[in-house]
This record gives sequence, C-alpha cells and structure tokens, in this order.
Amino acid sequence: EVQLVESGGGLVQPGDSLKLSCATSGFTFSRHSMSWVRQAPGKGPEWVADIIHDGSHEYYVDSVKGRFTISRDNGKASLYLQMNSLRAEDSAIYYCVKDWIGGSMPLFDYWGQGARVTVPS
Amino acid sequence: DIQVTQSPSSLSASVGDRVTITCRASQGIAQSLAWLQQKPGKVPNLLIYAASTLQSGAPSRFSGSGSGTDFTLTISSLQPEDVATYYCLSYYGGPRTFGQGTKVEI
Repeated sequence: EVQLVESGGGLVQPGDSLKLSCATSGFTFSRHSMSWVRQAPGKGPEWVADIIHDGSHEYYVDSVKGRFTISRDNGKASLYLQMNSLRAEDSAIYYCVKDWIGGSMPLFDYWGQGARVTVPS
Repeated sequence: DIQVTQSPSSLSASVGDRVTITCRASQGIAQSLAWLQQKPGKVPNLLIYAASTLQSGAPSRFSGSGSGTDFTLTISSLQPEDVATYYCLSYYGGPRTFGQGTKVEI
C-alpha cells in the first residue's frame, strides 16, 4: 500500500522558516519524481516544486523561487520542503505527491494527507 | 513557463448528459496532460493521464483526448456522484501547471 505522510506544518510569523517532511512507503521512491502541491482554502491546487528521481534537477513555481528548497533522501524514501521568508500568501495545506516515473505511467495518483501552514498577515 | 487555460469555469448539466471540459496549453505539450477530480474536503483524484489513458479504478464514462495544445475531458453520461471540480494538469518538462478548474453541478 502506497503511503505518504507529511509532517512539520504549523503557525509561523511572516519572515519565519519552516521545513516540511514527507515519509513514503509502498513504492520505489528512488525511481519517481516527487512534487509538493499546496491548496489554500477555497482555491484550486497549486503546484509548488518538484524534484526528479535522483535529485539532480529541481523546479519551482515563480512565487517561491529563491525562498523554498525541495530535497529528497532516497535512502530514507523521504521528501522535504524547506520554506524560508514565509509570507501570508504561502498559507495553505501542503501535499506531498507521488510524481512521474516516465513513459506512459500515471502521476499524481497518490497524495499525502497534507500539512497545514499558516502565516498570519 | 507553460500556461494552461481551462474552460468553462463552471457548468450545470442533467443526469445522463454528455459533459465536455477543455484545456488549452500555451505551447505544445505532446500528450503530457492529466485530469483530476476533486470533491469537497478530499484530495484530488487522478482520472486520466497521458491525455487519454484511464487511471485504474476510474469509471469508464470518463475519457480524455487531444495532443499538442488542445485537450478534452468528456463524461459520457453524467452521474450524481460526478459533482466535483475537475482540473487539468500539464507535466511537460520539469514544472507542472494546473488549470483553473471546472466546477460541475447537477
């Protein structure tokens, strides 16, 4: 059974830092790209960042470039998101998502339960 | 970066109707497009990937088509349990982009 379990969310002040973690099991983590997706209340999902299977390339939505860093530990089957200089507009539930292995294979087929990040204005 | 425009933003149809949602990419993305369904309080659920491949467990009334810049999600016979918001997702290259969503009501 595929499982993704996020941790590390919380209430922080503007300008603070927070690190999210995602522990995974049930699939070959080291072969998959992985993504972080966030969703603010009443809004659609927003892709935040992804990292390819070996960690050699990372991609970010423009609004978090230079502030957020995605990383992974294939030995621990874990994904991370370091968030610095947090802003009110970063408030959302952050989901760890199983991404693509390549070819005609599914992606975004498994999501974690989410970690809530709140940054008051 | 690739932009994705989804339409309509909402629609209302009757049970049994055929429903079509479209997604247009700002540049060619081959068939690197997925469709997800989200019901209130739930995480999005994958319906279609690679533009037209039905995800295991998804009902066969859902189908996808298109390639390049224009894509379509079709519900062949709308059912009450299909009330949800639907999102397309481009995954061409590294960055991913969600469409704005289409809220489907009965």
